[in-house]
Amino acid sequence: AQSVTQPDIHITVSEGASLELRCNYSYGATPYLFWYVQSPGQGLQLLLKYFSGDTLVQGIKGFEAEFKRSQSSFNLRKPSVHWSDAAEYFCAVGEGKTDSWGKLQFGAGTQVVVTP
Amino acid sequence: EAQVTQNPRYLITVTGKKLTVTCSQNMNHEYMSWYRQDPGLGLRQIYYSMNVEVTDKGDVPEGYKVSRKEKRNFPLILESPSPNQTSLYFCASSLSSGRSADTQYFGPGTRLTVL
Repeated sequence: AQSVTQPDIHITVSEGASLELRCNYSYGATPYLFWYVQSPGQGLQLLLKYFSGDTLVQGIKGFEAEFKRSQSSFNLRKPSVHWSDAAEYFCAVGEGKTDSWGKLQFGAGTQVVVTP
Repeated sequence: EAQVTQNPRYLITVTGKKLTVTCSQNMNHEYMSWYRQDPGLGLRQIYYSMNVEVTDKGDVPEGYKVSRKEKRNFPLILESPSPNQTSLYFCASSLSSGRSADTQYFGPGTRLTVL
C-alpha cells in the first residue's frame, strides 16, 4: 500500500518570500499525485496534479510542483507568497489500475503561516 | 452552478443512533468518495465509488456503509455511531478517476459529534 509523508507540520514564511512544501510518497508504480489547499473553515481545492509527462507541473494561484521519481518526491513551490496563501496544504497519492485511480491517500498536511 | 452538497452540515448525536449523511453532485460525475478529517491525520478515505453500484473500501471503512444506487447520490451511513467517529466528513466527486480526470470537487463538509 502506498503512503504519503509531509515532513513539515508547520511552516512560517514572510510575505514575498519563496515557499517550498515537501511531499514524499511510497508507491511501486507511477503514482497519481495531487496537491490540495484548505483555507480555514473551507473544503479542499485542487492546486495541481501529476499523472505523467512533464515532471514540472503548473497549478493555480502561482504554484508549481516537481515530480522526482528518484527521490519519490512531489514538492510544491511558490516563488513569492501572498498573505492569502496562509492555509493548510495536503499532498495526496492515488493508487489504482493502469489508467485510473480509486483509493486516494492524503498526507497529514502542512500548515502555512504568512507573516507581514 | 456545479457543486457537491452535503447534509446536514452539523450534527450532534448519541452513541448507537443510526444516521445518514447525504452527498449529492449535479455534474454527472462517475467518481465519488467520502473522507474524514481529523487533526494531525489529514484526510482519510472511507469509501469510494467508481460508478453506479460500484463501491470499494478506502483506508478506514470500519463502522461505515455506503451505497450508490444513482449517479448523483452517495450517502454515508453510520449504523451504530461511536464517539471515535466524531470528525469532519467530506464528500467529493470527479468526472472520472482516469488520466484525463477532471478536478475532484469537495463538498463543504459535515461536522459530526457523537456523544
